[in-house]
Amino acid sequence: DQQVKQNSPSLSVQEGRISILNCDYTNSMFDYFLWYKKYPAEGPTFLISISSIKDKNEDGRFTVFLNKSAKHLSLHIVPSQPGDSAVYFCAAGGSGTYKYIFGTGTRLKVLA
Amino acid sequence: GAGVSQSPSNKVTEKGKDVELRCDPISGHTALYWYRQSLGQGLEFLIYFQGNSAPDKSGLPSDRFSAERTGGSVSTLTIQRTQQEDSAVYLCASSTGLLRLDNEQFFGPGTRLTVL
Repeated sequence: DQQVKQNSPSLSVQEGRISILNCDYTNSMFDYFLWYKKYPAEGPTFLISISSIKDKNEDGRFTVFLNKSAKHLSLHIVPSQPGDSAVYFCAAGGSGTYKYIFGTGTRLKVLA
Repeated sequence: GAGVSQSPSNKVTEKGKDVELRCDPISGHTALYWYRQSLGQGLEFLIYFQGNSAPDKSGLPSDRFSAERTGGSVSTLTIQRTQQEDSAVYLCASSTGLLRLDNEQFFGPGTRLTVL
């Protein structure tokens, strides 16, 4: 039973356009959410996070939106750049706990 | 380097052999995690250490898997009698403690294990 789902295994976007990566979760106890980015042969690196008390968090070209009622979050990258091509994982956890639950990842390809 | 390091980067072994995977966390990080990523799968939690103790081993897939951490630093994940389904990338991460939004996990580059 996957508690965190990324239903799109891959996404291709033209350079300069918006990339939207989606993530759904089932556990209503999750109250913080993160996105990680992974290049080949490297470990995932933290990108951006959001607490359940917010519905939006922005950091430069990256914005994460959280819809608690729908148990859905999304990562927007605008404008997309070729260097953004990577696998993006969403992760969720409960405050005060130590364990993230990760999704299966979405491979983003930004076309020059 | 100041990051999490893992060794070996690649390991090819024959079915039935034992393997040891090593993780060197960031100095001072008390929490250490092992994950694995099988082909087409997400990051699967295996085990968590706080200091040298492992309060949560719930993710270890079978009793062939074990892990230890010594001196609050280096950790070793051991897989005995490897099977082909053990083939995956094994990732280690460390953090300063309880998960908070500003207390991220730092991942190593992983060990790619291939069991023939």
